[in-house]
Amino acid sequence: DIQMTQSPSTLSASAGDRVTITCRASQSISNWLAWYQQKPGKAPKILIYKASSLESGVPSRFSGSGSGTEFTLNISSLQPDDFATYYCQQYNSYSHTFGQGTKLEIK
Amino acid sequence: QVQLVESGGGVVQPGRSLRLSCAASGFIFSNYAMHWVRQAPGKGLEWVAVISYAGGNKDYADSVKGRFTISRDNSKNTVYLQMNSLRAEDTAVYYCARRPQGQGLDYWGQGTLVTVSS
Repeated sequence: DIQMTQSPSTLSASAGDRVTITCRASQSISNWLAWYQQKPGKAPKILIYKASSLESGVPSRFSGSGSGTEFTLNISSLQPDDFATYYCQQYNSYSHTFGQGTKLEIK
Repeated sequence: QVQLVESGGGVVQPGRSLRLSCAASGFIFSNYAMHWVRQAPGKGLEWVAVISYAGGNKDYADSVKGRFTISRDNSKNTVYLQMNSLRAEDTAVYYCARRPQGQGLDYWGQGTLVTVSS
């Protein structure tokens, strides 16, 4: 099975900051990677698919990059609404796997 | 608009069974693979199972393989998760989600809570 490792687990930042979250796959997944945002008590919301494609309606301050085994999610100029938990997910194989999550906290 | 509504959660004793349902509306259900994802209290997301658009292909997380069965009824626009031999560690909110070809899980239900406890 493909394992996904996210870093960091927790990230403290301030509104207006630029942040980067990294996701590494245990084997190549080409660009079959998605990023999700989740707020407490809510279902996850997709932000990015195919590593770098922005889901419709998602603000352009979110961007994704990478291929193979290493991927990043960047958020430029953090907004108050962005403080949440972020997950990567691979869908290269029929069985999907999530990273363990990155909690983005207000500094 | 696209809607996914899960039901069937509740409190169940260890070793017993439960069947979750996810009713879909607002899109052509038979065109999409459907997934179940769960989240234990205070923990991260765990992918559980997938079924192809016609139901011919299925796959499961190792943690549920042999105990859980995913199925679908395209005439009822519903996907199911039959959960047998439940364990305390299966306690979680269970979400269903759809995945368009080549994309991530773009629509999710609100989730249904399963609590396995004696």
